[in-house]
Amino acid sequence: KQEVTQIPAALSVPEGENLVLNCSFTDSAIYNLQWFRQDPGKGLTSLLLIQSSQREQTSGRLNASLDKSSGRSTLYIAASQPGDSATYLCAVHQGGKLIFGQGTELSVKP
Amino acid sequence: EAGVAQSPRYKIIEKRQSVAFWCNPISGHATLYWYQQILGQGPKLLIQFQNNGVVDDSQLPKDRFSAERLKGVDSTLKIQPAKLEDSAVYLCASTLDTGPRGYTFGSGTRLTVV
Repeated sequence: KQEVTQIPAALSVPEGENLVLNCSFTDSAIYNLQWFRQDPGKGLTSLLLIQSSQREQTSGRLNASLDKSSGRSTLYIAASQPGDSATYLCAVHQGGKLIFGQGTELSVKP
Repeated sequence: EAGVAQSPRYKIIEKRQSVAFWCNPISGHATLYWYQQILGQGPKLLIQFQNNGVVDDSQLPKDRFSAERLKGVDSTLKIQPAKLEDSAVYLCASTLDTGPRGYTFGSGTRLTVV
């Protein structure tokens, strides 16, 4: 059974810092991996999707990497801003559905 | 394009009462999902529809939860009777097919059972 774990559960950083969020999964037979952002009271917004054959994807200040063999993914946020404050969720696609981690709650202080 | 619409946004009920949630997916999206997100956890899939047929309902507590998708468009999720542990946000999502592209989530319905 696939299990997805995210570390840390919560993170508070000052504005301008670079930071890394971690995601691990137990079964490497995934179709791809996706990172989402969730703001309070809102749905999920897709940030980056990495196909199983890819190693990384970049969008603006965000960079996500994938190492299937070790069952790990990281989301790197450069020059963090207060507007980045949200919960970040990683999810693996397996069997036509998404299996989520529990999320990392990020707070960026001005 | 319009997003995934869900209603109501919030609902408070007493335990043992019944409740229903509604979802209208993006037009043309064949696949519809209901996820349950308990506070502090990631969303967990309850049921997946492909058009109006059920693809996966293995994690749906069928003694109290039911869902339907009439005519392959709108969907309703019902809980009867509700328990305290059903307090959660219920998220609806839709995609063009069963692949990863075009995953769009609604804003969710926050259910509180007291």
